[in-house]
Amino acid sequence: AQSVSQHNHHVILSEAASLELGCNYSYGGTVNLFWYVQYPGQHLQLLLKYFSGDPLVKGIKGFEAEFIKSKFSFNLRKPSVQWSDTAEYFCAVNAQGNTGKLIFGQGTTLQVKP
Amino acid sequence: NAGVTQTPKFQVLKTGQSMTLQCAQDMNHNSMYWYRQDPGMGLRLIYYSASEGTTDKGEVPNGYNVSRLNKREFSLRLESAAPSQTSVYFCASSGVGGRGSNQPQHFGDGTRLSIL
Repeated sequence: AQSVSQHNHHVILSEAASLELGCNYSYGGTVNLFWYVQYPGQHLQLLLKYFSGDPLVKGIKGFEAEFIKSKFSFNLRKPSVQWSDTAEYFCAVNAQGNTGKLIFGQGTTLQVKP
Repeated sequence: NAGVTQTPKFQVLKTGQSMTLQCAQDMNHNSMYWYRQDPGMGLRLIYYSASEGTTDKGEVPNGYNVSRLNKREFSLRLESAAPSQTSVYFCASSGVGGRGSNQPQHFGDGTRLSIL
């Protein structure tokens, strides 16, 4: 069965610090990969996605992620976080041809201190 | 541009009561999904509908039923609510992309459901 693991459950950073959130998945076939963000009290919003091509993908608000197929990883990065990045971040995987079902990681809560 | 609309936003039920959560999307998407979100567990798929007229179980379907009323609407029903179903419920929809994959899912604002 497919699964997604996010290594960090709760991360606390100061503004301007760099961010890297880990995400690993287990599935042997071709996948689509996503990072979603959920700001307090809001619904999930897409940060970025990887379907194919360049494994380094750029998303909104300065976020980027790198797909490393050999490591089954899709880590999220941002060079300099802001207080407004305080949110919960979810990695998700969809096996291609699998009717769009997403498997989500447990989520990482990011708290950025001003 | 409403996107995905869920009603109600909040609800409190007593154990054993029934309830239907409503979801509608205006993006002409084929696929729709219901998730529940619980602390430390991410989002778990309850049921999904790949296209109008079809529904399938997800990871945690027990205690729920769904109806894909038409292309726009996908409802989730709790026949006999239990405290373990206290959660935040999200509806999502997505279109069809290339190579059999779906486009990213768009989420509604969620329904906070408490069962006493």
